[in-house]
Amino acid sequence: SAVISQKPSRDICQRGTSLTIQCQVDSQVTMMFWYRQQPGQSLTLIATANQGSEATYESGFVIDKFPISRPNLTFSTLTVSNMSPEDSSIYLCSVRQADTQYFGPGTRLTVL
Amino acid sequence: KNQVEQSPQSLIILEGKNCTLQCNYTVSPFSNLRWYKQDTGRGPVSLTIMTFSENTKSNGRYTATLDADTKQSSLHITASQLSDSASYICVVSVNNAGKSTFGDGTTLTVKP
Repeated sequence: SAVISQKPSRDICQRGTSLTIQCQVDSQVTMMFWYRQQPGQSLTLIATANQGSEATYESGFVIDKFPISRPNLTFSTLTVSNMSPEDSSIYLCSVRQADTQYFGPGTRLTVL
Repeated sequence: KNQVEQSPQSLIILEGKNCTLQCNYTVSPFSNLRWYKQDTGRGPVSLTIMTFSENTKSNGRYTATLDADTKQSSLHITASQLSDSASYICVVSVNNAGKSTFGDGTTLTVKP
């Protein structure tokens, strides 16, 4: 199984600032996924990050708002840019190995 | 309309009792169906995964069933414990595309 860690685990940020979330996996994976989980809701896929290429964003999410880096097969970052209170959410990193999808512990973001 | 519908939205049971959570889906073509447990403030953890040809899968006190004809799945929890209090999420994946559709989850509360 894959073990995923995220940093920070939580943060409180001011409107208009940006936050970069780090995701580290204990094994090499081709695809990494970034999800958002708003309060009381299920997970929504933001983008898929492949090493060596640009991330693929889902409808409603754009690179300028959520830039992603994928410098190697075990690491990725998601930046939430120019934050507003509507960005308050849990952000989760995920990878897939065989048929199982593993999730990180999440980063709880509160924007004031 | 979400292609993965879970019911009930929330459920309260007494410790030691059994319960069954439902998941109906319209996602097609179907690759696999997974049940996750998400503790408050944590990332989802996989409980079971079933492919088209499987109709039951157990993981300790958790037993998942799948009827691919009617596109229904259930998660049965036996002899519930306080630690079972969590959100249970049903996730359906499309064939080989890597895309997953998440249900909104059922919030289970087990009371002493």
